[in-house]
Amino acid sequence: GAVVSQHPSWVICKSGTSVKIECRSLDFQATTMFWYRQFPKQSLMLMATSNEGSKATYEQGVEKDKFLINHASLTLSTLTVTSAHPEDSSFYICSARDHTGKSLHFGNGTRLTVT
Amino acid sequence: GENVEQHPSTLSVQEGDSAVIKCTYSDSASNYFPWYKQELGKGPQLIIDIRSNVGEKKDQRIAVTLNKTAKHFSLHITETQPEDSAVYFCAASDQAGTALIFGKGTTLSVSS
Repeated sequence: GAVVSQHPSWVICKSGTSVKIECRSLDFQATTMFWYRQFPKQSLMLMATSNEGSKATYEQGVEKDKFLINHASLTLSTLTVTSAHPEDSSFYICSARDHTGKSLHFGNGTRLTVT
Repeated sequence: GENVEQHPSTLSVQEGDSAVIKCTYSDSASNYFPWYKQELGKGPQLIIDIRSNVGEKKDQRIAVTLNKTAKHFSLHITETQPEDSAVYFCAASDQAGTALIFGKGTTLSVSS
């Protein structure tokens, strides 16, 4: 149980275009999901907290207009990287708490490369 | 806010030996401490967690200890195997639904 599915697993896009990443909780409902960013050989940095039915809460330094988060249902949160630039290339990972509300489970991440 | 320090950054052991990774945290309100294993190109996988009302937890070859007074917790892997080679992250949060704050990770290499 407690499976978090992330799609796509990798994507290549051109500078200036937008990319949408989906995060789904497959066997449980998640009122809260979290989006992290990870650079090579570095730790996971929290970008934002996605709340179902309300606006996301962004961490300091994360541009909310660039990283659009939508959490329209209890099983789906999306992250859209708008007007992507090469410096946005990174590994993006979502996570959600399981039905117990205690443990946090991660998707398998999305490798974004902006050319 | 919470700050999590993790040591060592790299750890190399022989197969069969034990491996210990240590973390300290700053926020005394934190009371949930999970450990994740991350393999190359994949998301982190929860391997064990501990809450503040428990001092030690064990699951087969993996154990975690927590010292709330000193604000540190450790991961112990016994009888290591080559497939244990990965990056391990510790994390901390309170149980109010907040996100996890991660340590910088430890790259564990187990040689046969």
